[in-house]
Amino acid sequence: KAGVTQTPRYLIKTRGQQVTLSCSPISGHRSVSWYQQTPGQGLQFLFEYFSETQRNKGNFPGRFSGRQFSNSRSEMNVSTLELGDSALYLCASKPISEGTEAFFGQGTRLTVV
Amino acid sequence: GENVEQHPSTLSVQEGDSAVIKCTYSDSASNYFPWYKQELGKGPQLIIDIRSNVGEKKDQRIAVTLNKTAKHFSLHITETQPEDSAVYFCAARYSSASKIIFGSGTRLSIRP
Repeated sequence: KAGVTQTPRYLIKTRGQQVTLSCSPISGHRSVSWYQQTPGQGLQFLFEYFSETQRNKGNFPGRFSGRQFSNSRSEMNVSTLELGDSALYLCASKPISEGTEAFFGQGTRLTVV
Repeated sequence: GENVEQHPSTLSVQEGDSAVIKCTYSDSASNYFPWYKQELGKGPQLIIDIRSNVGEKKDQRIAVTLNKTAKHFSLHITETQPEDSAVYFCAARYSSASKIIFGSGTRLSIRP
């Protein structure tokens, strides 16, 4: 069974641009969560999607948004990029929203210059 | 508020010795406590977890203990090996939501 797949692995963007990251969960998993990982703030929860609906949201500005498609694949978008958005963005999938074990992808390393 | 504190931030042990990482959580209603290992260039990997109705769980060289009264849980690695070197994260799932809150991480180094 394939694991969680995130694309692209690396991305360099300029301040003010927008970016879209993609996550394909493990087959059969319907819950996808997104996390931002930085050296200073650690792993911070962005949001969770389940059955195409946002179930939970972390404390991030509205520039961070996401969506989930009917095949459970998810995308997150960051608009008007700032230097501080440089981070590793991780996606985790679970079979259901109330499920416990979350499996992470390898992440997308975003660098804003 | 939702918070998980993790100590120490760095830990260096001699190969073959034991390593202990400790975490505390703030929401007494938390019911699930996973531990993740993250190697360089990879995403976090679940290594062991414990639910609130269990006090201890062991899997080969790894064990986790939970003290619900004190809201503490700990990871114990025995007979450490070089491949145990990584960053370890504790986490707690809060009952008010399905999201998982992570500790700040412990960088474990195994000295040969």
